Amino acid sequence: DTEVTQTPKHLVMGMTNKKSLKCEQHMGHRAMYWYKQKAKKPPELMFVYSYEKLSINESVPSRFSPECPNSSLLNLHLHALQPEDSALYLCASSQDAGLSYGYTFGSGTRLTVV
Amino acid sequence: AQKITQTQPGMFVQEKEAVTLDCTYDTSDQSYGLFWYKQPSSGEMIFLIYQGSYDEQNATEGRYSLNFQKARKSANLVISASQLGDSAMYFCAMRDGNTGGFKTIFGAGTRLFVKA
Repeated sequence: DTEVTQTPKHLVMGMTNKKSLKCEQHMGHRAMYWYKQKAKKPPELMFVYSYEKLSINESVPSRFSPECPNSSLLNLHLHALQPEDSALYLCASSQDAGLSYGYTFGSGTRLTVV
Repeated sequence: AQKITQTQPGMFVQEKEAVTLDCTYDTSDQSYGLFWYKQPSSGEMIFLIYQGSYDEQNATEGRYSLNFQKARKSANLVISASQLGDSAMYFCAMRDGNTGGFKTIFGAGTRLFVKA
């Protein structure tokens, strides 16, 4: 299994809703990442988990809350989002944080906040 | 500070021809990794090729090769024998030891159009 699976693929939510994005990998990778990508822009790092511990939080607003329940699973909990949070949310994993490891990305969740 | 620069917003290439996508980088660290990713319109980012800062030979992966010129801080991607399926956005990226290897930063990207 060489995939990162993200669900759902599309999500429309209101500003008062609570929802969660899910990311799963079974490659034995020990580093997992959340990126946000706006249209026609490069991905921007949000969070990094290494060995199930949060290693980097790129000053992301608290309305985004990451969780890593185990080494295969990464969640992103969403609450009280703003329309400007609409974007493609990409999950990625790598063997670990070593400099030579490329990322395996999921296909992303296209989020629309209304 | 880390920085990746891709100066070509869009490139056109004829099918079966080779194309070079430019990338320059800046880092104060001696240890770093350089990467290229492809993003088709479907959205998924696909890892293409890696070059380490201490590698003396240019990396190759099938039709992809990375022209690494360390003194000039450039890491250009060469795609040989272009195919219609190569039409996509291409991102140059870097990880270095300044952030413990945890952060990959991406350039602005180059949109490649392959013409039949």
